[in-house]
Amino acid sequence: EDQVTQSPEALRLQEGESSSLNCSYTVSGLRGLFWYRQDPGKGPEFLFTLYSAGEEKEKERLKATLTKKESFLHITAPKPEDSATYLCAVQAEIQGAQKLVFGQGTRLTINP
Amino acid sequence: NAGVTQTPKFRVLKTGQSMTLLCAQDMNHEYMYWYRQDPGMGLRLIHYSVGEGTTAKGEVPDGYNVSRLKKQNFLLGLESAAPSQTSVYFCASSYSNFYGYTFGSGTRLTVV
Repeated sequence: EDQVTQSPEALRLQEGESSSLNCSYTVSGLRGLFWYRQDPGKGPEFLFTLYSAGEEKEKERLKATLTKKESFLHITAPKPEDSATYLCAVQAEIQGAQKLVFGQGTRLTINP
Repeated sequence: NAGVTQTPKFRVLKTGQSMTLLCAQDMNHEYMYWYRQDPGMGLRLIHYSVGEGTTAKGEVPDGYNVSRLKKQNFLLGLESAAPSQTSVYFCASSYSNFYGYTFGSGTRLTVV
């Protein structure tokens, strides 16, 4: 069964304290891995897509990396406005069609 | 540039009542999706559509019906609401399966 597991469930950091979020997956034939940011009361906002092991993408203080079994979202010198829930999703085949399967998310809090 | 618009934003239903959630996108996307988000369960796919006039079941389709009569609109119907359908519902659209999804802001539904 295709699964996506994110860790930790919650992470609290001080402003400027760098860290990483983990997304491990089991899927037959990865087509793509996606990272989203979700603020309270809002829909997920697309951040990155990674397609192959070794690929990296960056956006401001965020950098996403991909291996054959997991992806990391590195956050460098975070600011309070980076506080959000970060969701990971993988393309998986469900009933003969490609769909996104989401992890449960990591709730990130950056204290000033 | 509205993106994906969901109506209503909030609704309270009594058990057995019916309702329709409306999703509209203005990006000319072919693919549209309905997800539900529950604490500890993540985002789960209810139904999806790969083009006007087409619909298909996702992971948790029971108790829901959908229609895509126009390319820009995707409707989610609950014929006889149950308390288990209390959730936050998100609509999303995408250019194709391998591009990031654009999500709406969600509908918070409570069934009492």
